[in-house]
Amino acid sequence: AQSVTQPDIHITVSEGASLELRCNYSYGATPYLFWYVQSPGQGLQLLLKYFSGDTLVQGIKGFEAEFKRSQSSFNLRKPSVHWSDAAEYFCAVGGTGTDKLIFGTGTRLQVFP
Amino acid sequence: GAGVSQSPRYKVAKRGQDVALRCDPISGHVSLFWYQQALGQGPEFLTYFQNEAQLDKSGLPSDRFFAERPEGSVSTLKIQRTQQEDSAVYLCASSKLAYSYNEQFFGPGTRLTVL
Repeated sequence: AQSVTQPDIHITVSEGASLELRCNYSYGATPYLFWYVQSPGQGLQLLLKYFSGDTLVQGIKGFEAEFKRSQSSFNLRKPSVHWSDAAEYFCAVGGTGTDKLIFGTGTRLQVFP
Repeated sequence: GAGVSQSPRYKVAKRGQDVALRCDPISGHVSLFWYQQALGQGPEFLTYFQNEAQLDKSGLPSDRFFAERPEGSVSTLKIQRTQQEDSAVYLCASSKLAYSYNEQFFGPGTRLTVL
């Protein structure tokens, strides 16, 4: 079955600290992987995506993610978190033969000054 | 340019009422998606249109849910005889082309509360 797991429901970091949000997926075909961010009252905004090629992808707002096929993971990282990064982060998977995205349950990031 | 817009932003319905939620996608976008996001959960796929054709409605939870996109632009999600379990945020997304590797642009959602 196709699924996405985000093991951390809630993460709290200090401003300026590094961040890693975990994402594991299960997908029978070649996966397309995405990270979205959702701020309160806002729609989801795409941070970055992976289809093929270089397994380290760069996104907006200083985020990056690394695709590890052997671990079925696509973890999101940022070297230095800003207070404005506080939001809900969703990992999603799509792929060949489908148009829809399957989302994880999200990780809520809280940033302390 | 305008993004995806949805209306109303908030809707309160009494159980048993019918509701209609509207989505205006980005102009020219071929694909349109509806997702349901329950409290504390990620979005879950409901249905997908490519132009006016509804190609996938596998996520619609019951026959009380109906979606249309008659002219390949604006879409309406209709829920008949609403139930409390229908309370959620309904998200609409559009993408320029077909296939999931194309970025989906999301609207702000409609928060439906069924009393």
